[in-house]
Amino acid sequence: DSGVTQTPKHLITATGQRVTLRCSPRSGDLSVYWYQQSLDQGLQFLIQYYNGEERAKGNILERFSAQQFPDLHSELNLSSLELGDSALYFCASRKGGSITDTQYFGPGTRLTVL
Amino acid sequence: AQKITQTQPGMFVQEKEAVTLDCTYDTSDQSYGLFWYKQPSSGEMIFLIYQGSYDEQNATEGRYSLNFQKARKSANLVISASQLGDSAMYFCAMREVDQTGANNLFFGTGTRLTVIP
Repeated sequence: DSGVTQTPKHLITATGQRVTLRCSPRSGDLSVYWYQQSLDQGLQFLIQYYNGEERAKGNILERFSAQQFPDLHSELNLSSLELGDSALYFCASRKGGSITDTQYFGPGTRLTVL
Repeated sequence: AQKITQTQPGMFVQEKEAVTLDCTYDTSDQSYGLFWYKQPSSGEMIFLIYQGSYDEQNATEGRYSLNFQKARKSANLVISASQLGDSAMYFCAMREVDQTGANNLFFGTGTRLTVIP
């Protein structure tokens, strides 16, 4: 158990819908990362938050947005869902900005868009 | 150019044998970190081992060791005494600092290891 929690574990929805994925980082970790893992794209970095502020953006679509709340939990919002958004979405957390800090992953949310 | 290259899409190893999973990286930074993660079929990403660019000794964690060859920019994972539970996808990753000061973690495409009884 990495200490990072994600809910829900599985999500099945229809095209055009909107969903919210939730992540609670490990105790004491200020940075939260979101990744998308699909069969054809591998592990793609989406976005990073550090202590409530957006820190870095990766290959995140405009239909997707995220935020980190004062209690450091984070939510990833996916809207106007398409079939191609079906993937495993990971949240990861780490303490701070040191290059040596290990990033720990949550169990993931498996999203299926029908 | 790819930051992390894992050239072995799949590997097989006999139970109880050792196996080496290859990883090469590309960076011009002096300070960077190298990580290996395991992803079993259940899907979770499990941190295995870390090596810092300034670490002179190869990292070890139980049956896992990292064969770090800085001049060759390689960070191979060695798993000793393979067990059936080691069957999984293994990802090599590198963290470096970009021009904005942000730490980015780059992942390879992974190697699928199958342990044969």
